[in-house]
Amino acid sequence: NAGVTQTPKFRVLKTGQSMTLLCAQDMNHEYMYWYRQDPGMGLRLIHYSVGEGTTAKGEVPDGYNVSRLKKQNFLLGLESAAPSQTSVYFCASSSTGIEQYFGPGTRLTVT
Amino acid sequence: RKEVEQDPGPFNVPEGATVAFNCTYSNSASQSFFWYRQDCRKEPKLLMSVYSSGNEDGRFTAQLNRASQYISLLIRDSKLSDSATYLCVVNHLVAGNMLTFGGGTRLMVKP
Repeated sequence: NAGVTQTPKFRVLKTGQSMTLLCAQDMNHEYMYWYRQDPGMGLRLIHYSVGEGTTAKGEVPDGYNVSRLKKQNFLLGLESAAPSQTSVYFCASSSTGIEQYFGPGTRLTVT
Repeated sequence: RKEVEQDPGPFNVPEGATVAFNCTYSNSASQSFFWYRQDCRKEPKLLMSVYSSGNEDGRFTAQLNRASQYISLLIRDSKLSDSATYLCVVNHLVAGNMLTFGGGTRLMVKP
């Protein structure tokens, strides 16, 4: 039982490049979330999903897209990376939305 | 004004000390309250939920004051292993059960 896993762990992108972050959970959770964490800002919700095939915007969705084609996976896409998207990205999942289990994070640098 | 506010610290305390963290939230419709712990360069993990009646888990005591929109965490007999950032988190019962995180309070326990 791996819990929540994220790939990749680290990535460096140039401005304008695209990439997809993958989150996978093996706990059969309905709810999945993508957050970013920046110094002094706390975690901020980017997008979330309440079930397979559904997605919704969080607090800071601009510049990101998501997909939840399978219940266990939640993908976060950056179509044209910008330096402002340099951050640590955390995925989380939950059975109720109350207690959330986080993945180990992806450290992204955009130069 | 941030929705969830915490003193960022750091709080530097000796082993065995008692330390208290406070948190205020601005949304009176908040339903559930939590403390998460985040170790350096790691993902957040749920420490404990916070109830109006107050609750205790070993050396940790959490209190909620809904009238003042104030949450506290007390750690007794601090251990070196308590060194971490403590995140105050509130939940709104909207679609997706979104969590709003405070910026965190950093605790450093020294020998």
